[in-house]
Amino acid sequence: SQQGEEDPQALSIQEGENATMNCSYKTSINNLQWYRQNSGRGLVHLILIRSNEREKHSGRLRVTLDTSKKSSSLLITASRAADTASYFCATETNTGNQFYFGTGTSLTVIP
Amino acid sequence: DAGVTQSPTHLIKTRGQQVTLRCSPKSGHDTVSWYQQALGQGPQFIFQYYEEEERQRGNFPDRFSGHQFPNYSSELNVNALLLGDSALYLCASSLAGIGTQYFGPGTRLLVL
Repeated sequence: SQQGEEDPQALSIQEGENATMNCSYKTSINNLQWYRQNSGRGLVHLILIRSNEREKHSGRLRVTLDTSKKSSSLLITASRAADTASYFCATETNTGNQFYFGTGTSLTVIP
Repeated sequence: DAGVTQSPTHLIKTRGQQVTLRCSPKSGHDTVSWYQQALGQGPQFIFQYYEEEERQRGNFPDRFSGHQFPNYSSELNVNALLLGDSALYLCASSLAGIGTQYFGPGTRLLVL
């Protein structure tokens, strides 16, 4: 079974607005990573946050991690039509070299 | 710097057949992981290969097997194909299986 669950399942916003998606997981982790996938193609790595970090920024992306609540959020600011994609969180467990993906959030940015 | 490559891009098989998918990792990477992604779902971990051995395995039957070669490339074999094996198969490479994984474009398998 998959460890992560993203919320919401689908999100539709206007270009220029911010998009926030959340991820919850079940067990202790080494790190949490966010990926983007366009139309069923390969996944593109966006950002990695380690278990001892609380917040990380990369360009228009901001990721937070709350290990006490076993949750993370991804904020995309000033969204663009090109941000339309599915977004997945993936957790690397601290018990082995396994990665667990969530079910994904489908983001649509309307021009 | 070559990224992760996979072949073939698409494949159509019939139930009961066997299939082999191939993956070449990103230059400098030594670990290859395989994932199955059904339509509308997130990728599910099949197994990981490091130093030519299966190091970790997800909840997949023995019909799914793999191999890693000395040059770190890898194959995924699926025997006795079922309709439910239809999916996008993704390969990801990393260094020592830690941290960021880089994904290939995937192989889309359709079982009829």
